[in-house]
Amino acid sequence: QKEVEQDPGPLSVPEGAIVSLNCTYSNSAFQYFMWYRQYSRKGPELLMYTYSSGNKEDGRFTAQVDKSSKYISLFIRDSQPSDSATYLCAMSKNTGTASKLTFGTGTRLQVTL
Amino acid sequence: ETGVTQTPRHLVMGMTNKKSLKCEQHLGHNAMYWYKQSAKKPLELMFVYSLEERVENNSVPSRFSPECPNSSHLFLHLHTLQPEDSALYLCASSQDGRAQAFFGQGTRLTVV
Repeated sequence: QKEVEQDPGPLSVPEGAIVSLNCTYSNSAFQYFMWYRQYSRKGPELLMYTYSSGNKEDGRFTAQVDKSSKYISLFIRDSQPSDSATYLCAMSKNTGTASKLTFGTGTRLQVTL
Repeated sequence: ETGVTQTPRHLVMGMTNKKSLKCEQHLGHNAMYWYKQSAKKPLELMFVYSLEERVENNSVPSRFSPECPNSSHLFLHLHTLQPEDSALYLCASSQDGRAQAFFGQGTRLTVV
């Protein structure tokens, strides 16, 4: 069983829709949760960072963490064609002297006009 | 200068060649990483350097050899690679005590 499970998609939605992206994980030691956006032929770009359970909002993006269910979500409101990318969830057990991230496989999102 | 810069962006090499990937970070971070990204697979952590010392080697074959001369620079030396090593190689950096890592644009490596 993978430590982090993420549906690879592709997920296709019309412009303006609310998008929900999700990851589940098996290791309860994970405490730090991130979402990265990766455009084709580019490196991952950090979108959202959350520590422990709860919600965090930044513009059109909301990240949710439910540690009791080992489930994290990213919501995108009023989706735009420029949101078309692969979204990677990542998580870490501690910060220590270096952060070692465990990633999901990524969900490819296509926002159509 | 962007935060994390990788060169070259693309590399094609034969199985008997020796080449090096370079990474430079301008964020003042003190930890640097090499990740491998293959199609339909999660990013795989290869090496971790903290304060210029290697703190992790995730069972990476010896044909990959990292070097971290200072906290701003990281290299990945490649020799006698196999076609299955073709992938996107990503460099990242982070600050001690923080979970967030920041990535470069990657080097697309093709081994022929």
